[in-house]
Amino acid sequence: EAQVTQNPRYLITVTGKKLTVTCSQNMNHEYMSWYRQDPGLGLRQIYYSMNVEVTDKGDVPEGYKVSRKEKRNFPLILESPSPNQTSLYFCASSSAGVGNTEAFFGQGTRLTVV
Amino acid sequence: AQSVTQLGSHVSVSEGALVLLRCNYSSSVPPYLFWYVQYPNQGLQLLLKYTTGATLVKGINGFEAEFKKSETSFHLTKPSAHMSDAAEYFCAVSKLGNDYKLSFGAGTTVTVRA
Repeated sequence: EAQVTQNPRYLITVTGKKLTVTCSQNMNHEYMSWYRQDPGLGLRQIYYSMNVEVTDKGDVPEGYKVSRKEKRNFPLILESPSPNQTSLYFCASSSAGVGNTEAFFGQGTRLTVV
Repeated sequence: AQSVTQLGSHVSVSEGALVLLRCNYSSSVPPYLFWYVQYPNQGLQLLLKYTTGATLVKGINGFEAEFKKSETSFHLTKPSAHMSDAAEYFCAVSKLGNDYKLSFGAGTTVTVRA
């Protein structure tokens, strides 16, 4: 089954404690992105990657890092989480630009930073 | 920068009634346009998209949307609501030639009354 898998689904952590949210896709997609969803703001892109070792900032990259060492994986790293990073996070992948292909989304990771 | 405006954060309809969700975009060049649906505790699923060609686009689950360039709108409709249509709906755009990023509206939550 084609899918984008995020882990964990739920996470409560304390301010400053480094964490990683993993994202893996089994569709051999080149494009991958991370979004955060906040009430009243919709989804905003954090980082994206167009291929292995190719990443770039989205609209709200501050406080986040990513890496793309393998095509299937695109982890999101919070080096020093803060309460304003409490949000619902989604990973997405597509085989090409979203104008030509469908973007597939993971089920989300709900992060709470206290 | 592109922006997407969804009018109405909450819409309540009776089962069997018309569903109308409004979306306007701001862009000097018509972008790619999308509607996504998010069911509770799930990721986003593509309902339909407009890239080029026919301006009336049919999607899954009986939804359709019409691209109106003169009004910079891409409203979503369904003639007869079902209980299963209760979800959050997001309008999104991407830029021609730069379609690795989706810009989302704030979302509209639909409730369906029996």
